[in-house]
Amino acid sequence: AQSVTQLGSHVSVSEGALVLLRCNYSSSVPPYLFWYVQYPNQGLQLLLKYTTGATLVKGINGFEAEFKKSETSFHLTKPSAHMSDAAEYFCAVTSGANSKLTFGKGITLSVRP
Amino acid sequence: DTAVSQTPKYLVTQMGNDKSIKCEQNLGHDTMYWYKQDSKKFLKIMFSYNNKELIINETVPNRFSPKSPDKAHLNLHINSLELGDSAVYFCASSQDRRGSQPQHFGDGTRLSIL
Repeated sequence: AQSVTQLGSHVSVSEGALVLLRCNYSSSVPPYLFWYVQYPNQGLQLLLKYTTGATLVKGINGFEAEFKKSETSFHLTKPSAHMSDAAEYFCAVTSGANSKLTFGKGITLSVRP
Repeated sequence: DTAVSQTPKYLVTQMGNDKSIKCEQNLGHDTMYWYKQDSKKFLKIMFSYNNKELIINETVPNRFSPKSPDKAHLNLHINSLELGDSAVYFCASSQDRRGSQPQHFGDGTRLSIL
């Protein structure tokens, strides 16, 4: 079985501040990990993914995440928040023979001027 | 040239009715999915098809029936709608069935049951 934990439901940062959104996963086999962003009344958009290889992955809009197997974590960071980053962020994991994607409960990111 | 398109975007109907949501993808992907997002924004997979074959069928009431006429389309039919069916339903597609490739999502269908 696989699962994702995203602690907290809301993160608020000032514009220009560091963004850190935490994600821990559980998987019995090597996982594929994803971060998606959802803007209001829209579908999910892929920010970045980890499948194999380099553990530090870069995504769109200046976001990056680091896969740490020993900590079973895949935290999302951005050095400097922008107002346009305000959205819902979902961490997701899939593994095994099929592509069943298990999502965390999501975190709402607010950016203060 | 929307990659994954769903219709309708909004669906308001009464309890007990039957309704369908359509999904089409023009990405050439082999695998398609339906997800349900509840009022707390929690996303849960319902079904997945690969080349018209059902490969994931989560614990979903049998009032929900997916149909895939070809690998570019995956429709969702819901019978005898209940209040608890109110949610946003997302269609998605991906290039492979093992999960190594990301899923591409439609903009969702917001279903409201009166």
